[in-house]
Amino acid sequence: NAGVTQTPKFQVLKTGQSMTLQCAQDMNHNSMYWYRQDPGMGLRLIYYSASEGTTDKGEVPNGYNVSRLNKREFSLRLESAAPSQTSVYFCASNPGPQLANVLTFGAGSRLTVL
Amino acid sequence: GEDVEQSLFLSVREGDSSVINCTYTDSSSTYLYWYKQEPGAGLQLLTYIFSNMDMKQDQRLTVLLNKKDKHLSLRIADTQTGDSAIYFCAEDTGGFKTIFGAGTRLFVKA
Repeated sequence: NAGVTQTPKFQVLKTGQSMTLQCAQDMNHNSMYWYRQDPGMGLRLIYYSASEGTTDKGEVPNGYNVSRLNKREFSLRLESAAPSQTSVYFCASNPGPQLANVLTFGAGSRLTVL
Repeated sequence: GEDVEQSLFLSVREGDSSVINCTYTDSSSTYLYWYKQEPGAGLQLLTYIFSNMDMKQDQRLTVLLNKKDKHLSLRIADTQTGDSAIYFCAEDTGGFKTIFGAGTRLFVKA
């Protein structure tokens, strides 16, 4: 059972370049999330998708766009990368609002913007 | 606003108990979580506790919740080198937002 799969695992970009991080889950989860992890700051929510067809901003959405392509896939796009977007990005999913909203995470995508 | 704070580092000897502490600000939190992150991997849920509970035990793990002081702790008994990781405290603020602390890096010395 693959769980949450992210690609690519590593990427180096130059300032101003664009790229898309891909995420797919095979658990039939309704909700999907994109977080970024920076040293000393924990995980911060960029965007989330409560269900197929909906997306909403999280804590730090500026500079990013998302697409919920179908129930399985949720992509994160950087249109014009900036050095401040150097980070480790995690995709996560869960069934949707429940008593305990336990998240299942992917392995992460490390992005460096020069 | 909502915030979760935890110390950044903890070092213990193998076989000792580890206690990782966390404070949170949102008194309406329903669930509080502990996640573990091993090097190069994503976060994995260790355990969680409902806000009307004081304690939860799961094998070597004990979670204590002091709701009055908004303090959560994770105790790992008989700490092993395999427990070396980053431990994240998180609170459920309702809806789709889970707030994470910065993580405590646990070093276990053999």
